Amino acid sequence: EDQVTQSPEALRLQEGESSSLNCSYTVSGLRGLFWYRQDPGKGPEFLFTLYSAGEEKEKERLKATLTKKESFLHITAPKPEDSATYLCAVPTRRGYNKLIFGAGTRLAVHP
Amino acid sequence: NAGVTQTPKFQVLKTGQSMTLQCAQDMNHNSMYWYRQDPGMGLRLIYYSASEGTTDKGEVPNGYNVSRLNKREFSLRLESAAPSQTSVYFCASSVGDADQPQHFGDGTRLSIL
Repeated sequence: EDQVTQSPEALRLQEGESSSLNCSYTVSGLRGLFWYRQDPGKGPEFLFTLYSAGEEKEKERLKATLTKKESFLHITAPKPEDSATYLCAVPTRRGYNKLIFGAGTRLAVHP
Repeated sequence: NAGVTQTPKFQVLKTGQSMTLQCAQDMNHNSMYWYRQDPGMGLRLIYYSASEGTTDKGEVPNGYNVSRLNKREFSLRLESAAPSQTSVYFCASSVGDADQPQHFGDGTRLSIL
């Protein structure tokens, strides 16, 4: 069964304390992996697409990497404004053409 | 840049009432989607439309109907609302298939009493 699992569920960091979020997936024929940021009361905001193992994408303090089984979202020297829920998602071909979302990691960065 | 616009933002219904959630996108995207987001359940696909004139069921379609009115607009209808449909509903759009990034609206928060 196609599945996406994110860990940890919640992460508390001090400002400037770097860390990584994990997204592991089991899906036949990966056609991409997406990272989103979701702020309270808002819809998910698209961050990155990764299509092949070894690929990396960067945006400000965020860097996403991809292996054959998982993706990492590295956060370098985070600031309080990086606090949000981070979601990853992969497309599946099972039954219908759709994205499978992980449950997300709630990140809180404290000054 | 409007992107994906959803109306209304909040709604309270009584059990058995009907309602239509509206969604419009201005990015000239071909595909549009309706999701619901519940605590601990993540985002689940209700219906999607791969192109104008087509709609298909997603993971949790029971109790819902959709209409792709034109390329820009995709509506979600609850014919007889039930408390189990209390949720946050998100509309999204993408250029093409699910291997293209989807762009989301800010949601409709729906409570059914």
